[in-house]
Amino acid sequence: QKEVEQNSGPLSVPEGAIASLNCTYSDRGSQSFFWYRQYSGKSPELIMFIYSNGDKEDGRFTAQLNKASQYVSLLIRDSQPSDSATYLCAVMLGYGGSQGNLIFGKGTKLSVKP
Amino acid sequence: SAVISQKPSRDICQRGTSLTIQCQVDSQVTMMFWYRQQPGQSLTLIATANQGSEATYESGFVIDKFPISRPNLTFSTLTVSNMSPEDSSIYLCSAEQTLAPYEQYFGPGTRLTVT
Repeated sequence: QKEVEQNSGPLSVPEGAIASLNCTYSDRGSQSFFWYRQYSGKSPELIMFIYSNGDKEDGRFTAQLNKASQYVSLLIRDSQPSDSATYLCAVMLGYGGSQGNLIFGKGTKLSVKP
Repeated sequence: SAVISQKPSRDICQRGTSLTIQCQVDSQVTMMFWYRQQPGQSLTLIATANQGSEATYESGFVIDKFPISRPNLTFSTLTVSNMSPEDSSIYLCSAEQTLAPYEQYFGPGTRLTVT
């Protein structure tokens, strides 16, 4: 059973702080990792992907991947109230196509307090 | 990134009836997916829709209940058949990009309420 685990939260951080969202996965064959942001009543929006060990930065977002530990995280620097949403971690076993199924975690709800 | 539209955005249906949800992508894609999201829950994959082949259903979902069509590389439909209140949910379609890292983009969803 392929699983993706996230702390459901809520994670509450003050405005301007760093929010750290964590995700672990069970299948060592997982190749690609995605972070989606989902505002209440909206569909998931892709914000980051990573497939190599280490860090990947995009603006205020940094994704971190450690395949040996089966761990992926998302850091949000200078958190803003507009970052308040549920963040979904998704893991892909293969490289798309017939192996393109994403396994989603249950999501972490982030609340950024002004 | 792909732009995906869905119709209808929401509907209220009576039990025993069927609803067909349409999903349109602004570019050609090989793989499309249909998900269900219950309130406060994460996404559950219903099926994978490949153009030119039968849809592949996940455990717990069957073709008679959720027939899917994929007539071309930009369009797919999901029908929710013989609905019951337990089918009340948000239904989402997604499209997988054809190049690595094969990320998926989601449509805005269809909010279905069955009374």
